[in-house]
Amino acid sequence: TQLLEQSPQFLSIQEGENLTVYCNSSSVFSSLQWYRQEPGEGPVLLVTVVTGGEVKKLKRLTFQFGDARKDSSLHITAAQPGDTGLYLCAGGRNDYKLSFGAGTTVTVRA
Amino acid sequence: DTAVSQTPKYLVTQMGNDKSIKCEQNLGHDTMYWYKQDSKKFLKIMFSYNNKELIINETVPNRFSPKSPDKAHLNLHINSLELGDSAVYFCASSPQPGQGTGKQYFGPGTRLTVT
Repeated sequence: TQLLEQSPQFLSIQEGENLTVYCNSSSVFSSLQWYRQEPGEGPVLLVTVVTGGEVKKLKRLTFQFGDARKDSSLHITAAQPGDTGLYLCAGGRNDYKLSFGAGTTVTVRA
Repeated sequence: DTAVSQTPKYLVTQMGNDKSIKCEQNLGHDTMYWYKQDSKKFLKIMFSYNNKELIINETVPNRFSPKSPDKAHLNLHINSLELGDSAVYFCASSPQPGQGTGKQYFGPGTRLTVT
């Protein structure tokens, strides 16, 4: 059973459009991380959010942690082909494990 | 400079064989992990070591045995390989267990194909 559900599973958009990826759970997490994985490579951390309601911006990417620390979203403004990849959310609790969502495959067409 | 490296990158082998995957990190981290990513891209933790001590051992068949000779290395040995073991295996490290908040650095992955 996955603790984190990501939606949508696949997302294909035109360059310049906006997109949002969601990460939801019934569990409370001490932190929520977002990773991006490109084909043939390992995931790379984009951001960590730890406070309920926290919003972090990384250039055109905006990350939000839900008030109850059970969900998160990733919003990309004016997507570019370089944003193409698999986006993974991962929840951390007070143990040593990260629980990953199944990922959202984003394709940005030029 | 490579932070987390894995060898081999690709591994093709037959059912029943025994194989090992090696992982090394040069980041000075205390904690290392093995993850399995299946064909649906779901990434699931298998093991974690902190300072050479096993701290996470998920429900993994005992055909899988991790070994950490020192803090910088975490190898994964798999006995009697089965078709269902085909996946991409990722090694990762973090500065400390981090109680779930620590950034994890992933290696490039080893694609294992069992025929």
